[in-house]
Amino acid sequence: EAQVTQNPRYLITVTGKKLTVTCSQNMNHEYMSWYRQDPGLGLRQIYYSMNVEVTDKGDVPEGYKVSRKEKRNFPLILESPSPNQTSLYFCASSLIPLGRNTEAFFGQGTRLTVV
Amino acid sequence: GDSVTQMEGPVTLSEEACLTINCTYTATGYPSLFWYVQYPGEGLQLLLKATKADDKGSNKGFEATYRKETTSFHLEKGSVQVSDSAVYFCALLRGGADGLTFGKGTHLIIQP
Repeated sequence: EAQVTQNPRYLITVTGKKLTVTCSQNMNHEYMSWYRQDPGLGLRQIYYSMNVEVTDKGDVPEGYKVSRKEKRNFPLILESPSPNQTSLYFCASSLIPLGRNTEAFFGQGTRLTVV
Repeated sequence: GDSVTQMEGPVTLSEEACLTINCTYTATGYPSLFWYVQYPGEGLQLLLKATKADDKGSNKGFEATYRKETTSFHLEKGSVQVSDSAVYFCALLRGGADGLTFGKGTHLIIQP
């Protein structure tokens, strides 16, 4: 089954404690991205990657890092989490950079709380 | 820059009522337009899309028409069901590799 898998689904952590949210897709997609979803703000893109070793900033990259060492994995790293990073995070992938004939597939989300 | 504006929710309707969720956009050129749906506890799923002016996307009884003259992509359904309760996001595809720009989402609640 084609899917995007995120782990963990839920995480509560303390300010400053480094964490990683993993994302893996089994569709051999080149393009992967991370979004955060906040009430009243919708989804905003954090980072995206067009292929292995190619990453770029989205609209709200501050406080986040990513890596793309393998095609299937695109982890999101918070080196020093702060309470304003409490949010619902989604990973997405697509076959090519989103185009007129492609579809983005989303993971089930990771709800992160930073206290 | 590009942006998407959709009606604020929550929108509460009775089963079998008609639904319209408004969506307008601002973008350079002619973006592709999408509606995504998020059911409780799940990720986003593509509901329908339209890639050029006057195209009509449809799926699961939902429809939306790409109106270039009014820069709109309103979501419609003639008779909603309780199972349609979800958050609906209008989105446009920006040029290049930038990905999707989303509206803030509309929470739809259908009561039996």
